[in-house]
Amino acid sequence: AQSVTQLGSHVSVSEGALVLLRCNYSSSVPPYLFWYVQYPNQGLQLLLKYTSAATLVKGINGFEAEFKKSETSFHLTKPSAHMSDAAEYFCAVSAPMGFQKLVFGTGTRLLVSP
Amino acid sequence: NAGVTQTPKFRVLKTGQSMTLLCAQDMNHEYMYWYRQDPGMGLRLIHYSVGEGTTAKGEVPDGYNVSRLKKQNFLLGLESAAPSQTSVYFCASSNRPGTDTQYFGPGTRLTVL
Repeated sequence: AQSVTQLGSHVSVSEGALVLLRCNYSSSVPPYLFWYVQYPNQGLQLLLKYTSAATLVKGINGFEAEFKKSETSFHLTKPSAHMSDAAEYFCAVSAPMGFQKLVFGTGTRLLVSP
Repeated sequence: NAGVTQTPKFRVLKTGQSMTLLCAQDMNHEYMYWYRQDPGMGLRLIHYSVGEGTTAKGEVPDGYNVSRLKKQNFLLGLESAAPSQTSVYFCASSNRPGTDTQYFGPGTRLTVL
């Protein structure tokens, strides 16, 4: 079975500061990993995904994440936060064989102050 | 393309009432999903479908029923609503499970009094 843990339900940064959102996964097989973003009153949209190719994955809006097998982590980063990055971010995991549902973390709300 | 649409956007029910949430997608996706989102719990899968005419239970199926009579539509029904079903409901679709991106609708906010 797969699961993800997102550390910190809220993260606050200043505009221009580094964004780091943490995600650790548990999986009995090599996982597929995803980051989704949810803006207020909207559905989720994909930021980036890891599917066993390059371990450093680049996504939309300047975000990237690095798959570290030894640390079972898939942390999301952005060098410089923008006010428009304020949203809730979800890490999710699935397994590559058969039908495997997407399992979401509990989410991290990113607050960006001017 | 509209992507994934959901109707209604908001609904208030009294305990015991029934309702159906409609999800429609125009991307010709095989797989469709219903999730509920509750504070501090992320998204949990209620039911899903791997193709027209098929449905299967997810993580939290109790109190819900679904139907996929047409490929583009996935209906979620509440036969007798309970306050515990107060939540935001999201529909999603994808071409395949696993690696493929799931595309989400804008959500339905349901309150059961």
